[in-house]
Amino acid sequence: GAVVSQHPSRVICKSGTSVKIECRSLDFQATTMFWYRQFPKKSLMLMATSNEGSKATYEQGVEKDKFLINHASLTLSTLTVTSAHPEDSSFYICSAPFGGLARTDTQYFGPGTRLTVL
Amino acid sequence: GENVEQHPSTLSVQEGDSAVIKCTYSDSASNYFPWYKQELGKRPQLIIDIRSNVGEKKDQRIAVTLNKTAKHFSLHITETQPEDSAVYFCAASSGQGGKLIFGQGTELSVKP
Repeated sequence: GAVVSQHPSRVICKSGTSVKIECRSLDFQATTMFWYRQFPKKSLMLMATSNEGSKATYEQGVEKDKFLINHASLTLSTLTVTSAHPEDSSFYICSAPFGGLARTDTQYFGPGTRLTVL
Repeated sequence: GENVEQHPSTLSVQEGDSAVIKCTYSDSASNYFPWYKQELGKRPQLIIDIRSNVGEKKDQRIAVTLNKTAKHFSLHITETQPEDSAVYFCAASSGQGGKLIFGQGTELSVKP
């Protein structure tokens, strides 16, 4: 099956700093990737759709300037949490639809990044 | 907007019993319905999916049914085992690499 990686797996930072999370499709290309946020014992909340070569599409209520998304290549999307605060602490997971340019339905998830803001 | 409702939020069964989790969706354009299993601290893993042109799909002990008219779909796990214990999420999308909208999740506990 398709493999999606994320880096880092865990990050602790001070309030006010920015944190970048990378999502890579290892064995396929993805023109679209998705970023989710998950609180403990809660569901996955879609934050934004990352589009290769164009601007990301953000879900209602998600701050664009707070969560910067860049999809610079067909295998890499990055999420930058700017000026992080304790309320940004969460589990961030990306996904990519397998098939890339062929566009299929099946989405595979990265292992997630646990962000803790002190 | 799009919404997916999932029930129950928790489910406890004895090993060997069956477990059923139900979801309803609001967007009539949805045509792809995957189910994911997530163990604590790990990524969601796709366990089965169904498309709107199919009413039922089965893979060993797992089956999914879809009622397009009523806009609901269900996950059925038979002969449950302790290793089936996890959180299960249903989702819906309009397909073709479209975004997934997730249900609230069901924490399944299978007691030996």
